[in-house]
Amino acid sequence: AQKVTQAQTEISVVEKEDVTLDCVYETRDTTYYLFWYKQPPSGELVFLIRRNSFDEQNEISGRYSWNFQKSTSSFNFTITASQVVDSAVYFCALIIQGAQKLVFGQGTRLTINP
Amino acid sequence: GAGVSQTPSNKVTEKGKYVELRCDPISGHTALYWYRQSLGQGPEFLIYFQGTGAADDSGLPNDRFFAVRPEGSVSTLKIQRTERGDSAVYLCASSLMLAGVADTQYFGPGTRLTVL
Repeated sequence: AQKVTQAQTEISVVEKEDVTLDCVYETRDTTYYLFWYKQPPSGELVFLIRRNSFDEQNEISGRYSWNFQKSTSSFNFTITASQVVDSAVYFCALIIQGAQKLVFGQGTRLTINP
Repeated sequence: GAGVSQTPSNKVTEKGKYVELRCDPISGHTALYWYRQSLGQGPEFLIYFQGTGAADDSGLPNDRFFAVRPEGSVSTLKIQRTERGDSAVYLCASSLMLAGVADTQYFGPGTRLTVL
C-alpha cells in the first residue's frame, strides 16, 4: 500500500520569508508519480507540479522549487520570498503506475502573515 | 478552456434522504474520478471511470454510494439513506489517459454536503 506523510500540520511565517513544506512517501513500486496541489480558501485543488520516479532533477518555477530525493523518499516544496497569496493548504500526493487513484497526505496549512 | 464543474456547490440534507452530486469534466477528458475530503484531511479516493464504465470503485465506503457516467462525460454520485458521517466535501477530477498512463488530475471546486 502507498502512503504519503506531511508531518507539518500548520506553518506560519512572515511575508518574504522562505518556507519549506515536507513530504515523505512510501511505495514498493518503482514507477510512480508525485504531485503537489494547492487548496486556497475557495476550496478548489490547484495542480502545481508532477514528477515521475525516474526524474530526480530539482525543479524551479518562479518562487517555487521542488526537491525530489529517492534515497529519503522525499519530495519537498520550497516557496522563496513568500507572499500573503501563498496562504493555503498544500497537499502532496502519489500515484503508482497502472493505478488511477491519488493517495494524498494530510496537508500542510500555510499562513503567510503580512 | 472550462475546468471541471460541480453542482451544487453546497447541499444540505436531512439524515435518511437521497442526494445526487453532479460533475462535468474537462471536455475531452476520458477519465473521471470522485474523491471525498473530510474536514482537516486530504482527499480520499472513491471511484474512477474510464469512459462509461467504473474501472475502480474500491473506495466507495458502502453500498449506499453509487456513481454513474452513462455517456462518458457527466457523472453523478448518488448517496442513499444519507448519514451524518457522510458530511464532507465531494471532489471530482478529470484527466486524459495517455497510453494507459495516469495523466494529471484536474479538480473541480467540490460539493460541500452537510447531513443534519
